[in-house]
Amino acid sequence: DAGVTQSPTHLIKTRGQQVTLRCSPKSGHDTVSWYQQALGQGPQFIFQYYEEEERQRGNFPDRFSGHQFPNYSSELNVNALLLGDSALYLCASSLGQGNSPLHFGNGTRLTVT
Amino acid sequence: GQQVMQIPQYQHVQEGEDFTTYCNSSTTLSNIQWYKQRPGGHPVFLIQLVKSGEVKKQKRLTFQFGEAKKNSSLHITATQTTDVGTYFCAGPFADGANNLFFGTGTRLTVIP
Repeated sequence: DAGVTQSPTHLIKTRGQQVTLRCSPKSGHDTVSWYQQALGQGPQFIFQYYEEEERQRGNFPDRFSGHQFPNYSSELNVNALLLGDSALYLCASSLGQGNSPLHFGNGTRLTVT
Repeated sequence: GQQVMQIPQYQHVQEGEDFTTYCNSSTTLSNIQWYKQRPGGHPVFLIQLVKSGEVKKQKRLTFQFGEAKKNSSLHITATQTTDVGTYFCAGPFADGANNLFFGTGTRLTVIP
């Protein structure tokens, strides 16, 4: 039973560039949430996708966008990268939109130079 | 806005000592979840508490949800080196949602 998988593991980008991160949810899960975790801080909610639509969004600018595909996998896109976007980006999957626990992937470490 | 604070921020204990982290929310929570993140790893779900005053145990770990559903605690008895990591509490943005607002975390170091 595959868990949540994310790619790539690490990424280095330059300010102003665009990046796409990918996530495959745990088998049987249909909801994907994205979190940003800066060093030494707790994960910050970016947005959640369910039935291929963005259902909830945290306090992140429009530079952050996403997509969910029919197979429940998801992408996170960040445009016009800033130095402050350097962080660990975590994908979490769950079943439905209720109070079910989140299963996190290992994350993508993004460094913006 | 919604805030979830945890204290202490850091805790160093000798192996075998007990450890407690406290979680306080600015708003009432429909439920609270606890996650553990090992150094270099990702958050792993530990438990969910739903009822006011609820207490749950997992071996050496005891979790409590406050009567007012605004605070929670995690107590570890007789810490082991495997307990090292950062413990986060998290509550939903809104009732019935699992878009979690994570606390500030408590980083536990266990000295052998």
